[in-house]
Amino acid sequence: GEDVEQSLFLSVREGDSSVINCTYTDSSSTYLYWYKQEPGAGLQLLTYIFSNMDMKQDQRLTVLLNKKDKHLSLRIADTQTGDSAIYFCAESIPNYGGATNKLIFGTGTLLAVQP
Amino acid sequence: DADVTQTPRNRITKTGKRIMLECSQTKGHDRMYWYRQDPGLGLQLIYYSFDVKDINKGEISDGYSVSRQAQAKFSLSLESAIPNQTALYFCATSQGRNYNEQFFGPGTRLTVL
Repeated sequence: GEDVEQSLFLSVREGDSSVINCTYTDSSSTYLYWYKQEPGAGLQLLTYIFSNMDMKQDQRLTVLLNKKDKHLSLRIADTQTGDSAIYFCAESIPNYGGATNKLIFGTGTLLAVQP
Repeated sequence: DADVTQTPRNRITKTGKRIMLECSQTKGHDRMYWYRQDPGLGLQLIYYSFDVKDINKGEISDGYSVSRQAQAKFSLSLESAIPNQTALYFCATSQGRNYNEQFFGPGTRLTVL
């Protein structure tokens, strides 16, 4: 089945690192994504990782992928108040016999950054 | 100007009314999607369209219908709105086949009384 799970809430202090976790069930994932949703706005892609990679770093963001455990994490270094938002992980899985991919979104994690 | 726009941004309506939510995009993408967001449930796919002649049901299509009037326009209709359709609705577009980054509109907050 297709299921993507995240914890609902994370609170950190400004300057600390944040780690948001995600687990998924479909092993045929091709890409995995992290989206950010700020209040009153739609989702914006933060970063992504191809399924044959273990790690990807992009400035303050580090994505770790453990395919064996079907676990994805997003680490934000030096978290700022502007990072407060809901973070969604999503997996891209083949659909229509591989003709295209569809996205399965997690439930979202609300990150609250305390000054 | 935003690449993906949605109208209206907010709507309050009554049970039984017909409602249409509209989405337009200037990205030139073939693929368009409608999702609803409920707290603690993430995003659920309602309908999606890979081109003007292609419409597909998502996970939760009951009570909804769509129309792809042009490559750039994809509208979602609630034929007879009910209170449990109160939610935040997002339109999204994409182009890729494997790398399926989706670009989201700002959302429409719909309240059905």
